[in-house]
Amino acid sequence: DTEVTQTPKHLVMGMTNKKSLKCEQHMGHRAMYWYKQKAKKPPELMFVYSYEKLSINESVPSRFSPECPNSSLLNLHLHALQPEDSALYLCASSQVAQGYNEQFFGPGTRLTVL
Amino acid sequence: AQKITQTQPGMFVQEKEAVTLDCTYDTSDPSYGLFWYKQPSSGEMIFLIYQGSYDQQNATEGRYSLNFQKARKSANLVISASQLGDSAMYFCAMRETNNAGNMLTFGGGTRLMVKP
Repeated sequence: DTEVTQTPKHLVMGMTNKKSLKCEQHMGHRAMYWYKQKAKKPPELMFVYSYEKLSINESVPSRFSPECPNSSLLNLHLHALQPEDSALYLCASSQVAQGYNEQFFGPGTRLTVL
Repeated sequence: AQKITQTQPGMFVQEKEAVTLDCTYDTSDPSYGLFWYKQPSSGEMIFLIYQGSYDQQNATEGRYSLNFQKARKSANLVISASQLGDSAMYFCAMRETNNAGNMLTFGGGTRLMVKP
């Protein structure tokens, strides 16, 4: 199984809502990532989890709250978002060891904040 | 300073012809990796090919090959025999290795459009 799944595929939420994005992989990868991608731009790294611990937070606002409940799951909790947070949110996973380690990406969640 | 540069925002290629997508990078790390990803309009990032900094030969994967010129710090993607399904965004990315995993820095991307 070389697949990363993400749910939901699309999400529309108001600025006062609380929602969560979910990411799952069963490749035994111990590094998982959240990226944000605006239209016509490259993905920007938000968070990195390594062995279920948050290891990198790229100065992301606190209205985005990541969670890694186990080695297969990665969540991104959303609260009080702004319209400029509308984007494609991509999850990825990889091995942790150094060397050639491809990141496998999920299909993404297209988020619209009204 | 930008670490990964893709100078072609958009390119056209005739179906069945070859096309080269440019990528230059900047790093002082002697050990690094370079990746190319394809992103169709559906949004998923699809891994195409990888080149390690110590690899002696240029990487190839089917119709994809990587023209790696280390001294010039370039890693251009060559797609042979273009197909209509190759129309997509293409991103070059560089791996920085740390204990947290393999962080990727992406270039700005090139939109490739294949003409029938």
